[in-house]
Amino acid sequence: QKEVEQNSGPLSVPEGAIASLNCTYSDRGSQSFFWYRQYSGKSPELIMFIYSNGDKEDGRFTAQLNKASQYVSLLIRDSQPSDSATYLCAVKSGTASKLTFGTGTRLQVTL
Amino acid sequence: DVKVTQSSRYLVKRTGEKVFLECVQDMDHENMFWYRQDPGLGLRLIYFSYDVKMKEKGDIPEGYSVSREKKERFSLILESASTNQTSMYLCASSSIIGTGATYEQYFGPGTRLTVT
Repeated sequence: QKEVEQNSGPLSVPEGAIASLNCTYSDRGSQSFFWYRQYSGKSPELIMFIYSNGDKEDGRFTAQLNKASQYVSLLIRDSQPSDSATYLCAVKSGTASKLTFGTGTRLQVTL
Repeated sequence: DVKVTQSSRYLVKRTGEKVFLECVQDMDHENMFWYRQDPGLGLRLIYFSYDVKMKEKGDIPEGYSVSREKKERFSLILESASTNQTSMYLCASSSIIGTGATYEQYFGPGTRLTVT
Protein backbone atom coordinates (compact mmCIF):
# COMPACT_ATOMS: atom_id res chain seq x y z
CA GLN A 1 0.00 0.00 0.00
CA LYS A 2 1.37 3.36 -1.01
CA GLU A 3 1.85 5.75 1.87
CA VAL A 4 0.90 8.85 -0.09
CA GLU A 5 -1.50 8.49 -2.99
CA GLN A 6 -2.39 10.86 -5.77
CA ASN A 7 -4.29 10.43 -8.98
CA SER A 8 -1.71 10.64 -11.75
CA GLY A 9 -4.04 12.51 -14.10
CA PRO A 10 -3.84 14.33 -16.33
CA LEU A 11 -6.38 16.63 -14.79
CA SER A 12 -7.57 19.00 -17.45
CA VAL A 13 -9.28 22.30 -16.51
CA PRO A 14 -10.13 25.33 -18.64
CA GLU A 15 -8.39 28.61 -18.04
CA GLY A 16 -10.06 30.57 -15.25
CA ALA A 17 -11.58 27.50 -13.58
CA ILE A 18 -10.75 26.02 -10.18
CA ALA A 19 -8.37 23.07 -10.21
CA SER A 20 -8.74 20.63 -7.33
CA LEU A 21 -5.85 18.28 -6.57
CA ASN A 22 -6.22 15.55 -3.99
CA CYS A 23 -3.90 13.46 -1.85
CA THR A 24 -4.51 10.75 0.73
CA TYR A 25 -2.00 9.39 3.21
CA SER A 26 -1.86 6.25 5.29
CA ASP A 27 0.01 7.29 8.46
CA ARG A 28 -2.52 8.76 10.87
CA GLY A 29 0.31 10.30 12.89
CA SER A 30 1.52 12.45 9.99
CA GLN A 31 2.26 15.97 11.07
CA SER A 32 3.03 18.23 8.15
CA PHE A 33 1.86 18.31 4.58
CA PHE A 34 3.43 19.97 1.58
CA TRP A 35 2.50 20.76 -1.99
CA TYR A 36 5.23 21.06 -4.59
CA ARG A 37 4.93 22.11 -8.21
CA GLN A 38 7.23 20.57 -10.79
CA TYR A 39 7.45 21.82 -14.34
CA SER A 40 8.63 19.36 -16.97
CA GLY A 41 12.40 18.97 -16.80
CA LYS A 42 12.68 21.08 -13.66
CA SER A 43 13.01 20.31 -9.98
CA PRO A 44 10.12 20.54 -7.49
CA GLU A 45 9.43 23.90 -5.89
CA LEU A 46 7.44 24.37 -2.70
CA ILE A 47 4.04 26.03 -3.09
CA MET A 48 2.48 25.60 0.33
CA PHE A 49 2.60 23.67 3.54
CA ILE A 50 -0.12 23.00 6.10
CA TYR A 51 -0.13 21.26 9.46
CA SER A 52 -3.46 22.21 11.07
CA ASN A 53 -6.89 21.01 10.10
CA GLY A 54 -8.78 23.40 7.90
CA ASP A 55 -7.85 25.72 5.09
CA LYS A 56 -4.76 27.76 4.42
CA GLU A 57 -4.81 30.35 1.67
CA ASP A 58 -1.94 31.95 -0.23
CA GLY A 59 -2.95 34.01 -3.24
CA ARG A 60 -4.72 31.77 -5.75
CA PHE A 61 -3.76 28.64 -3.82
CA THR A 62 -5.65 27.05 -0.94
CA ALA A 63 -4.49 23.97 0.91
CA GLN A 64 -7.08 21.97 2.81
CA LEU A 65 -6.31 19.40 5.47
CA ASN A 66 -8.64 16.87 7.06
CA LYS A 67 -6.66 14.66 9.43
CA ALA A 68 -9.67 12.56 10.40
CA SER A 69 -10.11 11.53 6.78
CA GLN A 70 -6.35 11.52 6.12
CA TYR A 71 -6.85 13.78 3.18
CA VAL A 72 -5.11 16.90 1.93
CA SER A 73 -6.02 18.91 -1.13
CA LEU A 74 -4.81 21.87 -3.14
CA LEU A 75 -7.20 24.25 -4.85
CA ILE A 76 -5.97 26.57 -7.56
CA ARG A 77 -8.38 29.39 -8.33
CA ASP A 78 -8.44 31.21 -11.67
CA SER A 79 -6.21 28.56 -13.23
CA GLN A 80 -3.70 29.84 -15.77
CA PRO A 81 -1.82 27.99 -18.51
CA SER A 82 1.34 28.65 -16.47
CA ASP A 83 -0.13 26.42 -13.75
CA SER A 84 0.24 23.44 -16.06
CA ALA A 85 2.70 21.20 -14.21
CA THR A 86 2.88 18.13 -12.02
CA TYR A 87 1.86 18.70 -8.42
CA LEU A 88 3.49 16.58 -5.75
CA CYS A 89 2.00 15.98 -2.34
CA ALA A 90 4.50 15.27 0.46
CA VAL A 91 3.94 14.19 4.02
CA LYS A 92 6.15 14.27 7.10
CA SER A 93 5.63 11.49 9.62
CA GLY A 94 7.52 10.45 12.71
CA THR A 95 10.57 12.09 14.21
CA ALA A 96 12.84 11.94 11.18
CA SER A 97 13.08 14.93 8.91
CA LYS A 98 12.31 13.04 5.74
CA LEU A 99 9.21 13.49 3.62
CA THR A 100 7.25 10.87 1.73
CA PHE A 101 6.16 12.00 -1.70
CA GLY A 102 3.23 10.95 -3.80
CA THR A 103 3.82 10.24 -7.46
CA GLY A 104 2.16 13.50 -8.48
CA THR A 105 -0.85 14.70 -10.44
CA ARG A 106 -0.30 16.24 -13.84
CA LEU A 107 -2.43 19.34 -14.34
CA GLN A 108 -3.23 20.75 -17.77
CA VAL A 109 -4.86 24.16 -18.02
CA THR A 110 -6.41 24.59 -21.43
CA LEU A 111 -7.11 27.86 -23.26
CA ASP B 1 16.66 32.55 -0.89
CA VAL B 2 17.82 29.01 -0.34
CA LYS B 3 20.17 27.85 -2.99
CA VAL B 4 20.94 24.21 -3.66
CA THR B 5 23.35 23.49 -6.47
CA GLN B 6 24.32 20.24 -8.12
CA SER B 7 27.59 19.66 -9.91
CA SER B 8 26.19 18.65 -13.28
CA ARG B 9 22.88 18.99 -15.13
CA TYR B 10 23.63 16.15 -17.51
CA LEU B 11 26.05 13.27 -17.13
CA VAL B 12 26.77 10.26 -19.33
CA LYS B 13 28.76 7.38 -17.86
CA ARG B 14 29.63 3.85 -18.86
CA THR B 15 28.55 0.71 -17.06
CA GLY B 16 30.95 -0.12 -14.23
CA GLU B 17 32.28 3.40 -13.78
CA LYS B 18 32.34 5.03 -10.36
CA VAL B 19 30.16 8.12 -10.42
CA PHE B 20 30.17 11.08 -8.05
CA LEU B 21 27.25 13.48 -7.81
CA GLU B 22 27.85 16.58 -5.72
CA CYS B 23 25.35 18.78 -3.96
CA VAL B 24 26.00 22.04 -2.13
CA GLN B 25 23.57 24.19 -0.14
CA ASP B 26 24.22 27.67 1.13
CA MET B 27 21.63 27.99 3.91
CA ASP B 28 23.38 26.14 6.72
CA HIS B 29 20.70 23.43 6.65
CA GLU B 30 21.19 20.43 8.87
CA ASN B 31 19.41 17.92 6.66
CA MET B 32 20.34 16.88 3.16
CA PHE B 33 18.73 14.29 0.91
CA TRP B 34 19.33 12.40 -2.31
CA TYR B 35 16.41 11.23 -4.43
CA ARG B 36 15.98 9.65 -7.79
CA GLN B 37 12.95 10.38 -9.89
CA ASP B 38 11.64 8.03 -12.54
CA PRO B 39 8.43 8.23 -14.61
CA GLY B 40 5.55 6.58 -12.80
CA LEU B 41 7.59 5.96 -9.67
CA GLY B 42 7.84 9.48 -8.34
CA LEU B 43 10.55 10.65 -5.98
CA ARG B 44 12.31 7.86 -4.13
CA LEU B 45 14.67 8.57 -1.26
CA ILE B 46 18.12 7.03 -1.61
CA TYR B 47 19.95 8.39 1.45
CA PHE B 48 19.69 11.31 3.79
CA SER B 49 21.95 12.99 6.29
CA TYR B 50 20.98 14.99 9.36
CA ASP B 51 24.47 16.06 10.36
CA VAL B 52 28.07 15.99 9.22
CA LYS B 53 29.32 12.42 8.88
CA MET B 54 25.84 11.11 9.72
CA LYS B 55 23.77 9.26 7.17
CA GLU B 56 20.71 7.07 7.01
CA LYS B 57 19.44 4.77 4.32
CA GLY B 58 16.33 5.74 2.49
CA ASP B 59 14.02 3.48 0.56
CA ILE B 60 16.39 2.42 -2.23
CA PRO B 61 20.02 2.59 -1.00
CA GLU B 62 21.30 -0.46 -2.88
CA GLY B 63 24.10 0.37 -5.28
CA TYR B 64 24.66 3.81 -3.74
CA SER B 65 26.72 5.34 -0.98
CA VAL B 66 27.00 8.88 0.35
CA SER B 67 29.49 11.17 2.00
CA ARG B 68 29.00 14.26 4.09
CA GLU B 69 32.31 15.66 5.29
CA LYS B 70 31.11 19.27 5.50
CA LYS B 71 27.72 20.61 6.48
CA GLU B 72 27.07 22.27 3.15
CA ARG B 73 28.08 19.39 0.90
CA PHE B 74 26.46 16.00 0.36
CA SER B 75 27.82 13.59 -2.22
CA LEU B 76 26.12 10.60 -3.82
CA ILE B 77 28.38 7.84 -5.09
CA LEU B 78 27.49 5.11 -7.52
CA GLU B 79 30.16 2.54 -6.81
CA SER B 80 29.73 0.70 -10.12
CA ALA B 81 27.19 2.34 -12.37
CA SER B 82 24.59 0.16 -14.02
CA THR B 83 22.04 0.91 -16.72
CA ASN B 84 19.18 0.66 -14.22
CA GLN B 85 20.67 3.67 -12.44
CA THR B 86 19.85 5.87 -15.41
CA SER B 87 17.59 8.47 -13.84
CA MET B 88 17.09 12.05 -12.69
CA TYR B 89 18.90 12.59 -9.40
CA LEU B 90 17.68 15.34 -7.12
CA CYS B 91 19.35 16.73 -4.04
CA ALA B 92 17.41 18.59 -1.37
CA SER B 93 18.06 20.26 1.96
CA SER B 94 15.97 21.31 4.92
CA SER B 95 16.34 22.93 8.30
CA ILE B 96 15.25 21.64 11.66
CA ILE B 97 14.99 25.14 13.07
CA GLY B 98 11.60 26.79 13.17
CA THR B 99 8.21 25.89 14.49
CA GLY B 100 8.98 22.21 14.37
CA ALA B 101 6.04 21.65 12.12
CA THR B 102 7.87 22.75 9.03
CA TYR B 103 10.56 20.71 7.39
CA GLU B 104 10.11 21.90 3.87
CA GLN B 105 12.75 20.66 1.50
CA TYR B 106 14.45 22.81 -1.10
CA PHE B 107 15.62 21.08 -4.23
CA GLY B 108 18.58 21.51 -6.50
CA PRO B 109 18.13 21.62 -10.30
CA GLY B 110 18.76 17.90 -10.71
CA THR B 111 21.31 15.78 -12.57
CA ARG B 112 20.10 13.65 -15.42
CA LEU B 113 22.40 10.65 -15.43
CA THR B 114 22.56 8.26 -18.34
CA VAL B 115 24.50 5.02 -17.94
CA THR B 116 25.31 3.28 -21.21
